[in-house]
Amino acid sequence: SQQGEEDPQALSIQEGENATMNCSYKTSINNLQWYRQNSGRGLVHLILIRSNEREKHSGRLRVTLDTSKKSSSLLITASRAADTASYFCATAHTGGFKTIFGAGTRLFVKA
Amino acid sequence: KAGVTQTPRYLIKTRGQQVTLSCSPISGHRSVSWYQQTPGQGLQFLFEYFSETQRNKGNFPGRFSGRQFSNSRSEMNVSTLELGDSALYLCASSPGLAGAATGELFFGEGSRLTVL
Repeated sequence: SQQGEEDPQALSIQEGENATMNCSYKTSINNLQWYRQNSGRGLVHLILIRSNEREKHSGRLRVTLDTSKKSSSLLITASRAADTASYFCATAHTGGFKTIFGAGTRLFVKA
Repeated sequence: KAGVTQTPRYLIKTRGQQVTLSCSPISGHRSVSWYQQTPGQGLQFLFEYFSETQRNKGNFPGRFSGRQFSNSRSEMNVSTLELGDSALYLCASSPGLAGAATGELFFGEGSRLTVL
C-alpha cells in the first residue's frame, strides 16, 4: 500500500489565494518530499524535509512536518495559474530505502 | 548537466509482446528507480538499482524486470504485455540510495506505453 496519502484529492482556488495540501503517512521516515507534476510529464522535486526538521521554506513554498502525527503540509502562497498541477508527497521510510508516493492532490488555479 | 533521459517517449505494443525501456541518469548519479503511473493506481514503485545491483523491489509480477549497467544506465523490461500494463513509466535518478535522508529524486519525462 502507498505510504503517503494526500488530502484533498483536488483543490480549486483563485489566483492570489493560498493553497494548502496535507499528507499523512504510516511508518517512520528518513525524509518527506513534495513533487509537482504537470499533466503527463515527469515529476519535479520541490522540497525535502528531513525527519528531524519541523519546517522548511523555499520561495512561495512552506512545508511543515509533524512526526508525532505522521503528517506534513505544503502551503503555496500567492498562487499563480502556472501552479496548476498535481502535487505529490513522497516518503522514504527508515530501513526500506525506497521512496513511496501518495496519490496526489490536483490543484487548479483560476486566473 | 543533462537531466534524466528516457527513451522511447511513446510506444504502442500489442498484448503478449515485450517491451524494453531505457533510462540514462544524471551524470554521477548511481541510483535509478522505476515507477509505474496509472490513473487508477497512482505512482507505484517498481524497483531501484544502485551500482548495478537491485536494492529494492515493489509488488509487481516477475514479468517486470530491470538491470543497470556499469555506466549507471538502466533498462526495464516487461514481457508478455497485458492491457493493464498501459501506463506512464517514470525513471528517477539520485546520487545515493533513493531512500537516504537526502535522497531527492530527479525524474525523466517518462515513457508512455499503450498496450492494445
